[in-house]
Amino acid sequence: QVQLQESGPGLVKPAGTVSLTCAVSGGSISSTNWWNWVRQPPGKGLEWIGEIYHSGNTKYNPSLKSRVSMSVDKSKNQFSLNLISVTAADTAVYYCARGPSRYAYVWGNYRPVPYFENWGQGTPVTVSS
Amino acid sequence: EIVLTQSPGTLSLSPGERATLSCRASQSVSSSYLAWYQQKPGRAPRLLIYDASSRATGIPDRFSGSGSGADFTLTISRLEPEDFAVYYCQQYGSSPLTFGGGTKVEIK
Repeated sequence: QVQLQESGPGLVKPAGTVSLTCAVSGGSISSTNWWNWVRQPPGKGLEWIGEIYHSGNTKYNPSLKSRVSMSVDKSKNQFSLNLISVTAADTAVYYCARGPSRYAYVWGNYRPVPYFENWGQGTPVTVSS
Repeated sequence: EIVLTQSPGTLSLSPGERATLSCRASQSVSSSYLAWYQQKPGRAPRLLIYDASSRATGIPDRFSGSGSGADFTLTISRLEPEDFAVYYCQQYGSSPLTFGGGTKVEIK
């Protein structure tokens, strides 16, 4: 059973960068899955940040696209999130999540379906001076 | 972007009762690509249903999903004490992926 574990600083200053890592165990980052980041502000709902494939292909939420980047480190079996120029509105619990390996026609392409089968426990990030 | 509206915001029910949760999309969801998640306080969401009506691995059969187009429903046939939680729908028929605002199922 694959397990995901987020890590990173819990406090970031305004205008700074949120840098988080998701370690994958019990499975390979190079499997046929997309790897995702989802966040949840305190007391609010869920927001998809983006996804990355082991090849390095990415897709980001347009609402965050100008500030987000993701990367994969196959040697460490982990993937990462960078969110720049943060404000208090970026305060949230950040989750990493794995999509299923089941293929279907999605968004005009034959690819793994983008819902979330496995989740990390989440890591809280507060943006404050 | 597809906006998902969940109703009601809060559902107050007793154990053993039937829960019916609604998720309405601002436009038709392609191929009924809709999932449902359960989230308990301080925990990550858990996948319940995908493709509108398929139960995820290990999910009890009291949970069922239905619907197509822009209207979807999650039904919990008989509420167990562990079912009181917040439920979210998520569409993956269009990019970006979006979630509904959630329905809280609380003990009456």
